[in-house]
Amino acid sequence: EIVLTQSPGTLSLSPGERATLSCRASQSVSSSYLAWYQQKPGQAPRLLIYAASSRATGIPDRFSGSGSGTDFTLTISRLEPEDFVVYYCQLYGSSPLYIFGQGTKLEIK
Amino acid sequence: VQLVESGGGLVKPGGSLRLSCAASGFNFGTYTMIWVRQAPGQGLEWVSSISSSTADIYYADSLKGRFTISRDNTKNSLYLQMTSLKVEDTAVYYCARVDLWLVHFDYWGQGALVTVSS
Repeated sequence: EIVLTQSPGTLSLSPGERATLSCRASQSVSSSYLAWYQQKPGQAPRLLIYAASSRATGIPDRFSGSGSGTDFTLTISRLEPEDFVVYYCQLYGSSPLYIFGQGTKLEIK
Repeated sequence: VQLVESGGGLVKPGGSLRLSCAASGFNFGTYTMIWVRQAPGQGLEWVSSISSSTADIYYADSLKGRFTISRDNTKNSLYLQMTSLKVEDTAVYYCARVDLWLVHFDYWGQGALVTVSS
């Protein structure tokens, strides 16, 4: 069973700074199967990035994804106040069929 | 695209509940659909998925046969029948649309809260 580990658990930064969030898979996976979501308090998750590096419709270009193999990264180039929420990576796997990381909370420093 | 869940509520341990998800704004019968849950203050957990034709149905191992996913393409609706509910099933349950490559979830409902408590 593949496990996704996100780090750090909490990231403290200031608006305008650059954020780098990590998602590590326990074994090599296809980058086509890796997505990132943003979840604001009290709301459903929203798709940000799919296939590791493709932005979903309507997502600002300050969000970017990269990585391959076991290591994937979500980068937010210049943090806006509304970006300080929780982010999840997700993988299309085999068993279980879909896997989520445990999440990274981005908080204002 | 709109997904609207209903049917959540308070149920006693051992009880049953059926969630519904009404879809609109897209060709529902073309897409695989899923349920994802989120326990209070916790992360996301995939629960179940069902293909457009219902030929392929999958569940998280942790559910051990207690949940049943179904859909009615004539009514643009997705369902989750939950039985033998446990306190640890307390969560917000989201329905979501799976993209055509079956890899990620591109649209989500607002969620339905299920509380299992005596």
